[in-house]
Amino acid sequence: GNSVTQMEGPVTLSEEAFLTINCTYTATGYPSLFWYVQYPGEGLQLLLKATKADDKGSNKGFEATYRKETTSFHLEKGSVQVSDSAVYFCALTAILGDTGRRALTFGSGTRLQVQP
Amino acid sequence: DTGVSQDPRHKITKRGQNVTFRCDPISEHNRLYWYRQTLGQGPEFLTYFQNEAQLEKSRLLSDRFSAERPKGSFSTLEIQRTEQGDSAMYLCASSPTRQGTNEKLFFGSGTQLSVL
Repeated sequence: GNSVTQMEGPVTLSEEAFLTINCTYTATGYPSLFWYVQYPGEGLQLLLKATKADDKGSNKGFEATYRKETTSFHLEKGSVQVSDSAVYFCALTAILGDTGRRALTFGSGTRLQVQP
Repeated sequence: DTGVSQDPRHKITKRGQNVTFRCDPISEHNRLYWYRQTLGQGPEFLTYFQNEAQLEKSRLLSDRFSAERPKGSFSTLEIQRTEQGDSAMYLCASSPTRQGTNEKLFFGSGTQLSVL
């Protein structure tokens, strides 16, 4: 079936450190890949996406590249800030049953804590 | 754009009672989704509406769960004869119709259900 595996957290970094959050996936067909972020007390928000192999999604200094050969979509940021502290979810679109319709399948989330 | 709103934010109930949650999506969004999230896990898909039509239901959605979207605007999720295992955060999300496979969802802050 379709699934997403993320590295467990929490990930604790100092401000301006380099961030990597690993994400690998299993899927049938050609999924689109996403990173969603959940800041404390807020709903999930789309951070970035990539719809085909070798695409790079980027937003707010975060980047992730769709690697079909390694079935990965690792999230990176060169210099994190305290305001980046949140829970990050990797996700893919998955076909539901026989209808061909899609819905998001999420990983379990990785909590990032950035210390000043 | 006032975002997706959910009511109530928190619900505490006794086992065996019925509960109902409400979701108001972004006004021009045709699609509405319900997800469930337990502690330390990512959101799990429950069901999906296109306007007033309920197009998909997950196997997670037992007979005790029912969702409606009678006029294609707000939606309700009812759980009958609640069990302790129903304790979770119930998330609502909406999206516009023509998105192909991109599935950019806009999430509400959720309703936290605690079944005692």
